Amino acid sequence: AQSVTQPDIHITVSEGASLELRCNYSYGATPYLFWYVQSPGQGLQLLLKYFSGDTLVQGIKGFEAEFKRSQSSFNLRKPSVHWSDAAEYFCAVVPSGAGSYQLTFGKGTKLSVIP
Amino acid sequence: DVKVTQSSRYLVKRTGEKVFLECVQDMDHENMFWYRQDPGLGLRLIYFSYDVKMKEKGDIPEGYSVSREKKERFSLILESASTNQTSMYLCASSARDGYNSPLHFGNGTRLTVT
Repeated sequence: AQSVTQPDIHITVSEGASLELRCNYSYGATPYLFWYVQSPGQGLQLLLKYFSGDTLVQGIKGFEAEFKRSQSSFNLRKPSVHWSDAAEYFCAVVPSGAGSYQLTFGKGTKLSVIP
Repeated sequence: DVKVTQSSRYLVKRTGEKVFLECVQDMDHENMFWYRQDPGLGLRLIYFSYDVKMKEKGDIPEGYSVSREKKERFSLILESASTNQTSMYLCASSARDGYNSPLHFGNGTRLTVT
């Protein structure tokens, strides 16, 4: 069955430390991949997306993600975390060629930042 | 900027009541969505609409219905609210070009059914 997994429910990092949030998917073919962020009391905002091409994609707010086909992963990274990055992060996938209504979200990783 | 507005931030309703959640978008988007967000379960699609008066069931449509009479407005209806429908509800919209158009979300409506 097709699925997307975020193995970490909650991660705590110190401000200024590096961050990596994990996302793994299980699809027959490489899907389209997204990361969304939800700040407290807000809706979700798109951070970045991968369709094809360069496997390292840059997003907003200083985030980047790397697609690794061999590992079926699309991990989100940031070199230096700011306190304002505290939020919940969702990986999402859609089968290649499908419409946005077929978007499937992971269960989310909550990020806490220690000042 | 795309704006998706959900009419209520918090709602408290009683079991058995009919509940309307309203969502309006201002970017002339064809697609609109209703998701339910629960801790540990992520977002689950309830219904979506790709045009006026058109609707499709998502993953968890039971107990819900929707209405889209105008392009900018998408309503979620709980015909007879139950306690297991206590949740955060998120509305989203996107342009027609499928996967290439990101979803734009509202800030959510937290519904409590007592």
